[in-house]
Amino acid sequence: DTGVSQNPRHKITKRGQNVTFRCDPISEHNRLYWYRQTLGQGPEFLTYFQNEAQLEKSRLLSDRFSAERPKGSFSTLEIQRTEQGDSAMYLCASSRPTDTQYFGPGTRLTVL
Amino acid sequence: GDSVTQMEGPVTLSEEAFLTINCTYTATGYPSLFWYVQYPGEGLQLLLKATKADDKGSNKGFEATYRKETTSFHLEKGSVQVSDSAVYFCALKRDSSYKLIFGSGTRLLVRP
Repeated sequence: DTGVSQNPRHKITKRGQNVTFRCDPISEHNRLYWYRQTLGQGPEFLTYFQNEAQLEKSRLLSDRFSAERPKGSFSTLEIQRTEQGDSAMYLCASSRPTDTQYFGPGTRLTVL
Repeated sequence: GDSVTQMEGPVTLSEEAFLTINCTYTATGYPSLFWYVQYPGEGLQLLLKATKADDKGSNKGFEATYRKETTSFHLEKGSVQVSDSAVYFCALKRDSSYKLIFGSGTRLLVRP
């Protein structure tokens, strides 16, 4: 059990640029989640995958955000035309069915 | 909608002091309740959980009891250590949903 990994750990970008983050879940976990955490707040749910199917999306996930999990293993979260309000920590978690969610270390995004 | 309310921090204690961090929730039905901990520079780690009323979760000397009548899940530890300094998040998850709903977190600082 190597844990959930996320890359990159930090990303600094200019407003208007596109960014992509990657999450590698724990290998036997078929469920994968993305959350966003802003400074001083708890994580907020963004989206959820069961295998390769995206089953739930939060209203926080605007049209500029897209997430994929093409083969039911790793997942990517892309943000197009970044805005300063997108600056946050993006967290990935994975789990077995009906089991605890295990979180990765997060990707910290700073939009200048 | 569902929500979690935590006491505001920071909470500053001397080593070996007794710790209580208050958490109350609003949710329909009988959600599962969790405490996660975030150490500096690290991801969220599950500390303990309880899945039904009157259950007590415990780990590493921390305890929390699921109180349905007061909709609370307060975190306690009898004797804190400097290494317990971190941010603590209370969270809930309904059986019918995939997402965790977090409180805003409580920072704990333990001084030697």
